[in-house]
Parts: sequence; structure tokens; C-alpha cells
Amino acid sequence: SYVLTQPPSVSVAPGQTARIACGGDNIGSKSVHWYQQRPGQAPVVVVHEDSDRPSGIPERFSGSNSGNTASLTISRVEAGDEADYYCQVWDSNRDHPVFGGGTKLTVL
Amino acid sequence: EVQLVESGGSVVRPGGSLRLSCIASGFKFDDYGMSWVRQAPGKALEWVSSINWNGGRIGYADSMKGRFTISRDNAKNILYLQMKSLRAEDTALYHCAREVAVAGTNWFDAWGQGTLVIVSS
Repeated sequence: SYVLTQPPSVSVAPGQTARIACGGDNIGSKSVHWYQQRPGQAPVVVVHEDSDRPSGIPERFSGSNSGNTASLTISRVEAGDEADYYCQVWDSNRDHPVFGGGTKLTVL
Repeated sequence: EVQLVESGGSVVRPGGSLRLSCIASGFKFDDYGMSWVRQAPGKALEWVSSINWNGGRIGYADSMKGRFTISRDNAKNILYLQMKSLRAEDTALYHCAREVAVAGTNWFDAWGQGTLVIVSS
């Protein structure tokens, strides 16, 4: 089945830019969605369909997708952005969603 | 306001059974496909099962096939997950999630807080 690979952790200082990668075979041909999960809370979608932001999500969150890597970029990182982030695609061959292993974002 | 509230989780012995429920409110339930997604302690999100709006299309992760059954009652706005032959590795927080289907992809725009299932002797 389709596999998504994320780095286990990313660290960034407040005010800097965080980039979280999500690797997959020709992932650029798929639509990628990103979820933020703060400790003890349910996941919340922050980017869907590669680069669309739901209402209420700050413009600091953006996404891109090309080739074998999709990325979530968080600009001007704040302490409140500290969370686990998961990428997700739809495996059309098996007709079900696939999640990446998650990346823990630490704000230094 | 969209709300998803799960219940039914508990401590169960290996080999036991459990039925989880997810009560939906704040939206037209039968307009949406729904899924169960679980998260073992300290681990990543893992898709469990999905059901389309009328129950005509259902899918399961390989490790759940034959043991878990997803269903829905659109008259009561409730999603269910019947689990049997439970194993220690099924220990997790089980979330229900609302699916958005668009242009060949699905994503989840609403999640419940989850109900905890612990499989232990």
C-alpha cells in the first residue's frame, strides 16, 4: 500500500519558518492534506488539497506539493504552533486514506 | 456547530468485544461519509474503517477485516464500530471523523475527541 514518510521531529525558534516534509512515491500526483494535533486534542485540518486553508486557519500556514515531496510551511512560528502534524492522502488503488507517521514540531 | 461525540470505550480482555458509538450533530448526517481513525498511545493516526453516506460502500484496514464492522443509523445520526476478537494492539483512542469527498480525494474536516479502548488481561 501507499506509504507516506515524515521526519519524526522539527525544531524552530519563535518567529522563524518551519517546514515539514511528507514523502511519497510521485506524491505530486495526489492531493495532500495536513492536520495539526495539539497534546490531548483531536486533529484539526490546517491545509487541504495541497494548499487550501480552511476558514479560521492563519495565513501563516501554507502547503505545496511536487514530485515526491509535499511540504507544510509555517511562517512566523508561535509557541501555540507546537504540536504533532500529519500528512494524509487518499490511496485510490485501495480506496482508503493513508496517514504519514507524524512530525512533532517543537518551538524552542 | 458540527459536533462528533464518541462513546463506548472501556477496558476489555483479549478476545473480547466492544461497540463504539459516535453521535453526530450540527450537520445533515446522511450527506457525509464517515470514518473511524485510531491512535495508539504515543503513536500516529491510523485509519480503521470508512462508510459512505448510505452504507453502500464500506472499507476496512487489513488488520481489522473480519473483526470490525462499521455501520450507521441515519435516522438517529449515529455511527457505530462493532469490534470483536480484540487484541492488545487494538488499544487506542478511537476517533470518528467526517469525510469531505472532492475530486478524487477525501479528507477529514471534523473530528471527535475520541473514546479510549484498552485491551488487557
